Amino acid sequence: DAKTTQPPSMDCAEGRAANLPCNHSTISGNEYVYWYRQIHSQGPQYIIHGLKNNETNEMASLIITEDRKSSTLILPHATLRDTAVYYCIVRVNNDMRFGAGTRLTVKP
Amino acid sequence: DTGVSQDPRHKITKRGQNVTFRCDPISEHNRLYWYRQTLGQGPEFLTYFQNEAQLEKSRLLSDRFSAERPKGSFSTLEIQRTEQGDSAMYLCASSGTGAEQYFGPGTRLTVT
Repeated sequence: DAKTTQPPSMDCAEGRAANLPCNHSTISGNEYVYWYRQIHSQGPQYIIHGLKNNETNEMASLIITEDRKSSTLILPHATLRDTAVYYCIVRVNNDMRFGAGTRLTVKP
Repeated sequence: DTGVSQDPRHKITKRGQNVTFRCDPISEHNRLYWYRQTLGQGPEFLTYFQNEAQLEKSRLLSDRFSAERPKGSFSTLEIQRTEQGDSAMYLCASSGTGAEQYFGPGTRLTVT
């Protein structure tokens, strides 16, 4: 599976959009981009995934660049409860290879 | 359905003892996964079942570790002769027809 690179930490003001970047320059054509988050002391929570088209659900939007070498997870109106570690994963097989993720802190 | 459940939530054991953890996946999910997570790191894949068949094992899964899913429903993860380095959160996840995995709350193991 391809490797991902994420900033270790980010801050966001409550009510503003949180844009979390992820680089995956070695992604191959059949690998999907997945995003999970982990709130302190809980198991990871699935957010969204995509292959090449942008995706949106009730939690977030996923923007994937045309060359698929990077993506951005967007939380449109961040709340304090969105404070968590966000993991970007590219995969084609059944096992998920988590990196260290981005620690997002939403501030009042 | 209340999601993936794991038992116990916390386990403290002395070095050299055996421990067993249980995972109950979401009903009708045929795939089940075990991960280990140490402080400050993301989860690391350990093993994967499709129904009762164990299809993949990480090299992290030493011979002291064994996982079973005898009837294709719940699964157990046993660690024999525990070591202090085994202290971690052990996470279970399940998935059905979709590829997204749903995680349980984890079992935190402390080896003293």
